[in-house]
Amino acid sequence: GEDVEQSLFLSVREGDSSVINCTYTDSSSTYLYWYKQEPGAGLQLLTYIFSNMDMKQDQRLTVLLNKKDKHLSLRIADTQTGDSAIYFCAEIPTSGTYKYIFGTGTRLKVLA
Amino acid sequence: DTGVSQNPRHKITKRGQNVTFRCDPISEHNRLYWYRQTLGQGPEFLTYFQNEAQLEKSRLLSDRFSAERPKGSFSTLEIQRTEQGDSAMYLCASSLRTSNYGYTFGSGTRLTVV
Repeated sequence: GEDVEQSLFLSVREGDSSVINCTYTDSSSTYLYWYKQEPGAGLQLLTYIFSNMDMKQDQRLTVLLNKKDKHLSLRIADTQTGDSAIYFCAEIPTSGTYKYIFGTGTRLKVLA
Repeated sequence: DTGVSQNPRHKITKRGQNVTFRCDPISEHNRLYWYRQTLGQGPEFLTYFQNEAQLEKSRLLSDRFSAERPKGSFSTLEIQRTEQGDSAMYLCASSLRTSNYGYTFGSGTRLTVV
């Protein structure tokens, strides 16, 4: 089946780094994405990585991709209270259409 | 253009009633998607349009659900004879056909069926 797995909760102190992990299913997925959802809001695209890359850095965000293990991670440096949200990883299986398969989301809580 | 707009933001309805939601995508985006998100879960795909053509429907979309996108602009999602299990956040998103660089999501319509 198509399951994208994430741990449910992560709690960090303000100023520390956060690492959110994701295991995806379709080794042929071309693009992998990270979205952020704040309470009561829609999803905001944070970053994406193309499958032929191992790493992508975008300001405080670093995405690491291990294709062999089908593992994706999002590192947030210098985590701020405004980073508290739910983070979803998502893939678009190339066998399908342009629909995403989302993980269940990781709720990040940043403690002041 | 301020992004993807969804109306209403919240809808409370009695079981058995019909409801309709509207989505206005980013004007130059020719793809439009509907997703459903229940509490504690990630969004699940319902259907998508390329221009006015509905190209795929999920098995989640029972025959009580219908979506339209007349003239390839805004879209509506109608649920007939609502059930309590339909309570969820309904998210709309849009993208350019040629883009793999992610969708733009609206803020969603939260449906509560009582």
